[in-house]
Amino acid sequence: AQKVTQTQTSISVMEKTTVTMDCVYETQDSSYFLFWYKQTASGEIVFLIRQDSYKKENATVGHYSLNFQKPKSSIGLIITATQIEDSAVYFCAMREGPSGSWQLIFGSGTQLTVMP
Amino acid sequence: NSKVIQTPRYLVKGQGQKAKMRCIPEKGHPVVFWYQQNKNNEFKFLINFQNQEVLQQIDMTEKRFSAECPSNSPCSLEIQSSEAGDSALYLCASSLTVNTEVFFGKGTRLTVV
Repeated sequence: AQKVTQTQTSISVMEKTTVTMDCVYETQDSSYFLFWYKQTASGEIVFLIRQDSYKKENATVGHYSLNFQKPKSSIGLIITATQIEDSAVYFCAMREGPSGSWQLIFGSGTQLTVMP
Repeated sequence: NSKVIQTPRYLVKGQGQKAKMRCIPEKGHPVVFWYQQNKNNEFKFLINFQNQEVLQQIDMTEKRFSAECPSNSPCSLEIQSSEAGDSALYLCASSLTVNTEVFFGKGTRLTVV
């Protein structure tokens, strides 16, 4: 069975610094898709960035980037120049293959607090 | 920004009552999901559709929950007889294909009293 694990429950950082959130995954599929989402205090879930397993380059979108280490089944999220409004719960997710009807499997989330 | 529209945002029902929530997926997205998120932030997959066909649903969904995604109408999730344990955030989401990013609506927060 596929599984996504986020071991960091919460992280606090100072504004304008860089933070890395960890995520490891388990899958038997040779091709898979990894995502990061954030959930704001209002409950809204926002898509941030994706990594396709067959791509060697780490994805980057704005001040979000990924550290994809395929041999370690690891997909870390890096946020540079953090802002107060980045405070949220961050979820790592993996899209299952046909046997799982392509549903998203989520990690347990990491609460990020950015302090002024 | 997501264009998945969920209504209502909040729903309060008594135990045993029906609870119905609706979702308009992003335009052109044939794949629709329903998830339940509990107070511990845990996501539980309920059901997904591709066009109007069910791809997969969990046992819970088969017994008390019903869902549909008719063509040219909003998708819906209905709980036939609400229980206290059904209190949660219900999230509808859609995607363009089976392996692209999934976009979520703002959710319907159900409270069963």
